[in-house]
Amino acid sequence: GESVGLHLPTLSVQEGDNSIINCAYSNSASDYFIWYKQESGKGPQFIIDIRSNMDKRQGQRVTVLLNKTVKHLSLQIAATQPGDSAVYFCAEGSTDSWGKLQFGAGTQVVVTP
Amino acid sequence: SAVISQKPSRDICQRGTSLTIQCQVDSQVTMMFWYRQQPGQSLTLIATANQGSEATYESGFVIDKFPISRPNLTFSTLTVSNMSPEDSSIYLCSVDYRGETQYFGPGTRLLVL
Repeated sequence: GESVGLHLPTLSVQEGDNSIINCAYSNSASDYFIWYKQESGKGPQFIIDIRSNMDKRQGQRVTVLLNKTVKHLSLQIAATQPGDSAVYFCAEGSTDSWGKLQFGAGTQVVVTP
Repeated sequence: SAVISQKPSRDICQRGTSLTIQCQVDSQVTMMFWYRQQPGQSLTLIATANQGSEATYESGFVIDKFPISRPNLTFSTLTVSNMSPEDSSIYLCSVDYRGETQYFGPGTRLLVL
């Protein structure tokens, strides 16, 4: 989901369940995408990235899916833990302007016991 | 991954003053960037810090307000000049790591009174 201003979309997940965080990106020329996790008081922490020549990439407990047709990106977290509570940002970039990332609005994930 | 540190971690400043933020990386990197994250919002790219030449600023950001230095491949500074309360934000540096992906520093939390 997307939001403006101070009202981040919130995903409430029960501990042990799987989480799915969605992101719609804007630039059809973007060819790489990164998911970051930001805990309160900290900088964004790299989770996983994916290039446009892939539609799926897996990491430790995380999977990123890319659908270029509808410009949609998702992050799946398996067996969500309390430590996964944070704001998650997707970021898009282009190898033509390498390093310049455009960030989505962010999703607040709250893990409940 | 790259280890990035920022100084200061936080500061409270009076309007009209300037603050210089330092970013140090534990390895040589080609590209360094400065981002701003306003309260409760996403990240916006301020500029690319170029080693040995003037920084490249994004639309809406100017050198007089945000002068940047990049004296070598492991260090950069961002100055927030003539501050107003609207400059209260988190300022983050990021680095391109080996052309593979981008990592962020912990951020500098600035409050302008």
